[in-house]
Amino acid sequence: RKEVEQDPGPFNVPEGATVAFNCTYSNSASQSFFWYRQDCRKEPKLLMSVYSSGNEDGRFTAQLNRASQYISLLIRDSKLSDSATYLCVVNMGNNNDMRFGAGTRLTVKP
Amino acid sequence: ETGVTQTPRHLVMGMTNKKSLKCEQHLGHNAMYWYKQSAKKPLELMFVYSLEERVENNSVPSRFSPECPNSSHLFLHLHTLQPEDSALYLCASSQVEGGTYEQYFGPGTRLTVT
Repeated sequence: RKEVEQDPGPFNVPEGATVAFNCTYSNSASQSFFWYRQDCRKEPKLLMSVYSSGNEDGRFTAQLNRASQYISLLIRDSKLSDSATYLCVVNMGNNNDMRFGAGTRLTVKP
Repeated sequence: ETGVTQTPRHLVMGMTNKKSLKCEQHLGHNAMYWYKQSAKKPLELMFVYSLEERVENNSVPSRFSPECPNSSHLFLHLHTLQPEDSALYLCASSQVEGGTYEQYFGPGTRLTVT
């Protein structure tokens, strides 16, 4: 099993759609979880941290399921500007060692 | 945004050259990282400096040599690279030991080895 695994997509959705991404991780000792977005030929940018109780930031909702070792990201009312690659990031029980998923590509179309 | 800066942004070098990549963070963080991003592959963690000590070295070939003179600056010294080392090299910083561990990235150096 890969340390961090994501569906590569691509996800092609119309504006206004709701889309959800999942990410599974292999290390049960992981404690820190994040979602990043990366635009083409740019650096990754932190989208949100993922907390045990789940958290929401505007149109974005992140959830953690420790029992099944996955995190999710839900985007509501998709905008054209949401088009990007979304990276799942998990620490390997050591906060100096973060592992990135390969990313899920999202394209929002008019 | 000037939180984490990297120079140069683009670099083309021959296999016998020696060059260095530079990273500077202006966020007051106490940990810095080097990552490699190749096409179609996840980011690979190369080196971590936490509180100015190297704490991770993920089996990176010795042709890559990191240096962290203080908590704000990080270098990656390159020598006798191979064409497969061509990639985007990203620097990041975070606050550890009482921080959130969220990492903030610089814009990267796009390296081509000819």
